[in-house]
Amino acid sequence: DTEVTQTPKHLVMGMTNKKSLKCEQHMGHRAMYWYKQKAKKPPELMFVYSYEKLSINESVPSRFSPECPNSSLLNLHLHALQPEDSALYLCASSHRDRGISPLHFGNGTRLTVT
Amino acid sequence: DQQVKQNSPSLSVQEGRISILNCDYTNSMFDYFLWYKKYPAEGPTFLISISSIKDKNEDGRFTVFLNKSAKHLSLHIVPSQPGDSAVYFCAASAKTGANNLFFGTGTRLTVIP
Repeated sequence: DTEVTQTPKHLVMGMTNKKSLKCEQHMGHRAMYWYKQKAKKPPELMFVYSYEKLSINESVPSRFSPECPNSSLLNLHLHALQPEDSALYLCASSHRDRGISPLHFGNGTRLTVT
Repeated sequence: DQQVKQNSPSLSVQEGRISILNCDYTNSMFDYFLWYKKYPAEGPTFLISISSIKDKNEDGRFTVFLNKSAKHLSLHIVPSQPGDSAVYFCAASAKTGANNLFFGTGTRLTVIP
């Protein structure tokens, strides 16, 4: 069982929909991350939150909007996505945002944009 | 530009034998390396890590070796078990910077009973 919980597990949305992905951890970690993984590719970093503040945005299009309501929760708001945004979206957390601190991943949300 | 490379997309090993997974990197700023294991429909699970001040780190059946001069690391699993069958990702970061992990493309390990 993973200690990082992501909901929903699967999501199908149209290009005009607005939806949100949710992530929760109760390990006391102060850094949280969103990664995107396309089929047969490695995970790629999208955003990093450190102490609830956005510290890295890897040039992600504005149709993806992250939010960190508190130290345990991380959301990814989706709006006007494109079919090429279909991918596995992984949330992760770590004890801190730098230094030797392994990331712990959730099981991901499989997103399909139609 | 792939800064972390795993050149073997797949590897098959007999149960009980040693599995050796390889990883190369290009960025000399990387000084913290990790291996993750991924089962289908699950997120990557942290397995073992190594800092650049070491050349070997061992945890049970898993050992990671780091050759800084060659910018190469490897994961040894011995003895291999059928439950080890999964995709293994190598990842690297510069620990003095933000914890941005760069992942390799993964190697699918199949352990044959």
